[in-house]
Amino acid sequence: RKEVEQDPGPFNVPEGATVAFNCTYSNSASQSFFWYRQDCRKEPKLLMSVYSSGNEDGRFTAQLNRASQYISLLIRDSKLSDSATYLCVFVSSGNTPLVFGKGTRLSVIA
Amino acid sequence: GAVVSQHPSWVICKSGTSVKIECRSLDFQATTMFWYRQFPKQSLMLMATSNEGSKATYEQGVEKDKFLINHASLTLSTLTVTSAHPEDSSFYICSATVAGGANEQFFGPGTRLTVL
Repeated sequence: RKEVEQDPGPFNVPEGATVAFNCTYSNSASQSFFWYRQDCRKEPKLLMSVYSSGNEDGRFTAQLNRASQYISLLIRDSKLSDSATYLCVFVSSGNTPLVFGKGTRLSVIA
Repeated sequence: GAVVSQHPSWVICKSGTSVKIECRSLDFQATTMFWYRQFPKQSLMLMATSNEGSKATYEQGVEKDKFLINHASLTLSTLTVTSAHPEDSSFYICSATVAGGANEQFFGPGTRLTVL
């Protein structure tokens, strides 16, 4: 089983739609989880951390399910500017490297 | 917020030449820096972990003699691609963690290397 698995998409959704991505991970020792956003030919940028209790930042909601070993990202009221690749990322501890999923590509269409 | 810079942002070189990429933490000290490589439509793949004042730790399959990493200070790590070949053409990205901070890593803007 791969360390991190994501549906590569693309997800093509109209403006205003709600879209959700899931990401499964295999390392049960993973401690920290993140969603990063990467625009074409740019570096990844942190979108939000993911906490067990779930967390929300504006139109974005992230959830962690440790029992089933997956994290999710929900985007409400999609904007054209949300078009990007969304990477799920986890890290075991401290200064260990991030482990990236391959990313899910989202295209929001007018 | 923490800022990481990379230089150059893009480089084109002839096959067989060596290319040095610099990664700097501008407003914080980074005891650990990471070097990633990303091929088109692929995920970021970790190449090596660079710790200040010690030898880098390379991931399996990454040739340490080809990808030389030097982390001479708390704000600078360099990656030198020696005897570059067209298959080394890629997007190289560094990241750094804040010394004593949380797990968040801050990424440089990346260096796009094209080897002719």
